[in-house]
Amino acid sequence: ETGVTQSPTHLIKTRGQQVTLRCSSQSGHNTVSWYQQALGQGPQFIFQYYREEENGRGNFPPRFSGLQFPNYSSELNVNALELDDSALYLCASSYSGGALDTQYFGPGTRLTVL
Amino acid sequence: GEDVEQSLFLSVREGDSSVINCTYTDSSSTYLYWYKQEPGAGLQLLTYIFSNMDMKQDQRLTVLLNKKDKHLSLRIADTQTGDSAIYFCAESSNTGKLIFGQGTTLQVKP
Repeated sequence: ETGVTQSPTHLIKTRGQQVTLRCSSQSGHNTVSWYQQALGQGPQFIFQYYREEENGRGNFPPRFSGLQFPNYSSELNVNALELDDSALYLCASSYSGGALDTQYFGPGTRLTVL
Repeated sequence: GEDVEQSLFLSVREGDSSVINCTYTDSSSTYLYWYKQEPGAGLQLLTYIFSNMDMKQDQRLTVLLNKKDKHLSLRIADTQTGDSAIYFCAESSNTGKLIFGQGTTLQVKP
């Protein structure tokens, strides 16, 4: 069974640029959630995708957007990067449809905005 | 509102028991989770408890839930140096998102 994978592992961008982060969900999972974890903080929910549609969103501006593909993999796009976007971005996959939709996390992408 | 709180730091001796505490606010949460994060890594699911349970034991881990007080704890028996990490509790909302605490750093001294 393949776990959740994310790419790239590290990324350095400058203010105003755009970035795309990628996530492959665990085999058998149909839902992907994205979280932002600032240094020293707990993860904050960005949004969730189920059946290729956004299925819930946290308190993040529209410049944070996402996609889910038919194979359930997902992308997180951030436009007009700001210094405060520097964080660890975590992707989690789960199976929605059962009683328990436990989220399993990938290793994360460390984004640094200069 | 939704909020999860944890103490920030715990230090124990190897072989002792560790108890990490958490309080949450959303009484409609169905499941409560404990995740472990090692430096530079993602989150590893340790265990979870269904909201209608009081206790769950899984090898060295014991989870206690006091639903009346909205208090969750994780006990690690015979704590080892490999248990040194940040531990997060999280509640699941009815929208499917997880709401995390700030994390408790567990330091295990040899």
